[in-house]
Amino acid sequence: QKEVEQNSGPLSVPEGAIASLNCTYSDRVSQSFFWYRQYSGKSPELIMSIYSNGDKEDGRFTAQLNKASQYVSLLIRDSQPSDSATYLCAGSNSGGSNYKLTFGKGTLLTVNP
Amino acid sequence: KAGVTQTPRYLIKTRGQQVTLSCSPISGHRSVSWYQQTPGQGLQFLFEYFSETQRNKGNFPGRFSGRQFSNSRSEMNVSTLELGDSALYLCASSPGTGVSEQFFGPGTRLTVL
Repeated sequence: QKEVEQNSGPLSVPEGAIASLNCTYSDRVSQSFFWYRQYSGKSPELIMSIYSNGDKEDGRFTAQLNKASQYVSLLIRDSQPSDSATYLCAGSNSGGSNYKLTFGKGTLLTVNP
Repeated sequence: KAGVTQTPRYLIKTRGQQVTLSCSPISGHRSVSWYQQTPGQGLQFLFEYFSETQRNKGNFPGRFSGRQFSNSRSEMNVSTLELGDSALYLCASSPGTGVSEQFFGPGTRLTVL
């Protein structure tokens, strides 16, 4: 199993809908988890971090972490065309190397007006 | 606070040459990580420096090296460039202790001809 795997997508949702992005991870990546948004031609931008089981909400974004099932998800409510981007899931490695982030390949999200 | 800066933003080199990329982290951040992003492999960790010491290293050949200065600025060097080194090189800044949130710079786009 790859250390961090994401639904390859692409994912297309209508404006105003909920976009759901998912990520699974292996035992080697178990400390902290992050969601980054990357617009075409730009660098990744941190939008959410989550460290413990459960939900974490920030505006229209909700990150969910389930350590027993080893998955992380990101929900985007009331999706807007400006949310169209590639979303990257990342985890920090266990064993003290928590500044080494392992990234999934990303999911391309398109929000249609 | 000013964000992460990287120079140069674009670089064109030929095979066999070497290149040095520079990164200035967010003021007060002591950890600098370097990543390579390509369409095929996604974002891959190169190395991380904290207080002038390499703390983590990814699975890249020895042609890739880096260093960090006492003011936390970091450089990475790639020697004997190969065509496959063409990529977006991203630097990420983090406080270096406690939470491992990383903030990316705009990147350096390296093209090897």
